[in-house]
Formats: sequence, C-alpha cells, structure tokens
Amino acid sequence: QKEVEQNSGPLSVPEGAIASLNCTYSDRVSQSFFWYRQYSGKSPELIMSIYSNGDKEDGRFTAQLNKASQYVSLLIRDSQPSDSATYLCAVGKSNTGNQFYFGTGTSLTVIP
Amino acid sequence: EPEVTQTPSHQVTQMGQEVILRCVPISNHLYFYWYRQILGQKVEFLVSFYNNEISEKSEIFDDQFSVERPDGSNFTLKIRSTKLEDSAMYFCASSEGYNTDTQYFGPGTRLTVL
Repeated sequence: QKEVEQNSGPLSVPEGAIASLNCTYSDRVSQSFFWYRQYSGKSPELIMSIYSNGDKEDGRFTAQLNKASQYVSLLIRDSQPSDSATYLCAVGKSNTGNQFYFGTGTSLTVIP
Repeated sequence: EPEVTQTPSHQVTQMGQEVILRCVPISNHLYFYWYRQILGQKVEFLVSFYNNEISEKSEIFDDQFSVERPDGSNFTLKIRSTKLEDSAMYFCASSEGYNTDTQYFGPGTRLTVL
C-alpha cells in the first residue's frame, strides 16, 4: 500500500474555474500535510501546510484535511494559466522523525 | 527571502566516479535533508541530518552515500561510486524545527551518470 496516493491526472480546468486536487494517505499516525507545486524541471515549492482537521485558506488556495477519512485536498480558486504545474502532496508522520512522504503528483493544466 | 541554494545545477559523471553535491541551507534552520527524484517519478527521501549526525535515513541511502556538514554553512551529499540508476534530480531541503515542520527545497542538482 502506498503511503500517499494522488490521482496523476492530467486535470484540465478553464481559466477562472476552481481546480480540486485530492490526496489520500495510509498511515493514521500522519500528522502534518503539505501541498507543493512543481514546475517541470524545477524543485517543489511550498504552497500550504495544514495540521488540523478542517479548512485553511491562503489567498486563492484552500487546503482541507479530514483525518478520519485520511484525506487532504487543495482547492485553487480563480485558476490562472500560471497555476499549470504538478501538485505534490507530502505527509509527515509522528513516528518517523522528519521524513516526508510524497505522492506522485497531479498534473494541472489551466486553459486560457 | 532566505532560500536554500545548491551547486552545481547539473553534474555529468562517468559510472564508478565519485560526486559531491553541495547545498547551503537557510541560515537559521537546524535540520537538513536530501531527497531525490528520478525522472517521471515521485520525490523520495534519502536522509535527514541534525546536530552533525544523521537522524534518519531511507533504504535508498546505502553505503555508497554519505553526508557531511564540513563548515557552518555547507551541507554535502557524496556518492562514492556512481551507478547508472543514480541519475536523478537531487534536492536539498532544510527546516527550522523537527518532526513535521515545513521543509523548504533548493533548486536541485541534476545528476547524469553515463
């Protein structure tokens, strides 16, 4: 069973629409959750972190965490062509120190 | 804004050669990491480092790999005898705190083993 699973996509949305990205994780001791954006050939760039159940908003981005369902999502409102990238879900666990487990990423294309 | 830096951006080497990848973590961060990403695959943890010693390592981080903080700013990853399958992007990351604190990534070094 994979630690972190994401739908690889590709996901295409029109400019101005809401993009919804999903991630599930397998280990209930997971306690920190991160969304990174990765442009082709570049390094992961932090978008948001979330630690508690519920929603966390930062500008056009909203992260949602449901620990009972072992599910974390990222909503991107008013999507822009510059949001076109691969979005990586990363999870940290309390019993493995500071190793992050990454999903394979979801490729998002925002169509002008 | 402080950032993690890495050199070189691209390293080409022959199989069996030793390579050293260099990183300068964010200055007030205490925890340092190496990850790798083989083309088209996910980011994979290699090792974490704190207080001049390895705090955690993955199965990938075998005897051919080593890390060092040779001075107050640099953090290095050495691969002793490179193999074709070591070709990947290597990312250095750092965090201020431990255990789930946000990790900030450098731009990466693309290692190509011929």
